[in-house]
Amino acid sequence: QVQLQESGPGLVKPSETLSLSCTVSGDPMRSFYWSWIRQPPGKGLEWIGYIYYSANPNYNPSLNSRVTISLDSSKKQFSLKLTSVTAADTAMYYCAREGFRGVRAFDIWGPGTMVTVSS
Amino acid sequence: DIQMTQSPSSLSVSVGDRVTITCRASQSISRYLSWYQQRPGKAPKLLIYDASSLQTGVPSRFSGSGSGTDFTFSISSLQPEDFATYYCQQSYSNPRTFGGGTKVEIK
Repeated sequence: QVQLQESGPGLVKPSETLSLSCTVSGDPMRSFYWSWIRQPPGKGLEWIGYIYYSANPNYNPSLNSRVTISLDSSKKQFSLKLTSVTAADTAMYYCAREGFRGVRAFDIWGPGTMVTVSS
Repeated sequence: DIQMTQSPSSLSVSVGDRVTITCRASQSISRYLSWYQQRPGKAPKLLIYDASSLQTGVPSRFSGSGSGTDFTFSISSLQPEDFATYYCQQSYSNPRTFGGGTKVEIK
């Protein structure tokens, strides 16, 4: 039973860097795409980017210059860094898996972690 | 980016009703279309992938159809636990994009 769990600070100051981790339990990390997705309060879902084992990450162009996604398979974690945050980055942040049996869909999601950008 | 347009944005229905939601892509996405259910305070849950394939464990009252740019999601007989927001999402190309959501409320 694969499970994902996000972790990281719930409050970040404007202009600082948001850093989150997602811990994967129950399955190896290779052969899957590992994504970050966010949802501002009361709004829809926005894909931030993904990383594939041993390949370069792919980012949403709307955030490209501020985003870094990395993977540490030894820790069974992947991470998100978002620089120069503003109030517009306040959102629930989810990590998700794509690619089970080659299916292009997010089949496993973490419960999410709320990040508020405020001084 | 491929834009995903969902309609309606909300609907009020009764238990036992049939629900139909449409999703239109700004360009052809073949059948790389998924549907998710999101209950308040919860993460989205995958219901349908590849336009019409039912995710393991999802009840058969949920179904999907379509290809190219036009897709449909249906619930044959709405149950109390189905009141939620539903999203479509394309995986044809990056960036992955979602529809704006359809909130299914109790009439």
